Amino acid sequence: DQQVKQNSPSLSVQEGRISILNCDYTNSMFDYFLWYKKYPAEGPTFLISISSIKDKNEDGRFTVFLNKSAKHLSLHIVPSQPGDSAVYFCAASSASGSARQLTFGSGTQLTVLP
Amino acid sequence: KAGVTQTPRYLIKTRGQQVTLSCSPISGHRSVSWYQQTPGQGLQFLFEYFSETQRNKGNFPGRFSGRQFSNSRSEMNVSTLELGDSALYLCASSRTGGPNTDTQYFGPGTRLTVL
Repeated sequence: DQQVKQNSPSLSVQEGRISILNCDYTNSMFDYFLWYKKYPAEGPTFLISISSIKDKNEDGRFTVFLNKSAKHLSLHIVPSQPGDSAVYFCAASSASGSARQLTFGSGTQLTVLP
Repeated sequence: KAGVTQTPRYLIKTRGQQVTLSCSPISGHRSVSWYQQTPGQGLQFLFEYFSETQRNKGNFPGRFSGRQFSNSRSEMNVSTLELGDSALYLCASSRTGGPNTDTQYFGPGTRLTVL
């Protein structure tokens, strides 16, 4: 039972254009969402997060949108750069007692073409 | 500020052996979580420790265990290794891991290969 789904395993975008990565979730208890970027043989690097009380959060070239009614979030990267090529994971979190755990999607490989 | 460190970075073991992996969190972070990443299953939560106590546990067999020390460093142990345990094991730390929506920061991982 996948509670967090990234339905696109890969995405190719031209340098300078917008990259849009999508993520769907099923658990309505999730209240905090994050995006991580991962290069091969490295751990995931935190990119940006959003609380369920917001519908948008922006940090430089990265913007995350949250649509709670659709249980959908997306990451926009504008403009895309070749160095953005990596696997992007979305993750969702809910409080379990006093602790939190992250539930990850399966990842989307983004390739930015020069 | 130094990031999350994990040792060793690579390990090769044989079936039936046991292994211990180590994680040092970011200074000031008291919560440490462990994840397993495999090509087929993605990133799966193993367990989370805070103040030397396991607060949360994922759906893994009892062969997977962990502990946390008073300096917040954590170890995880896998006993009676199976071929399917071959994976990248990731450690993540956060300030408290509590419901205040802490962000988790990951180490580089330990690549375990079971032959």
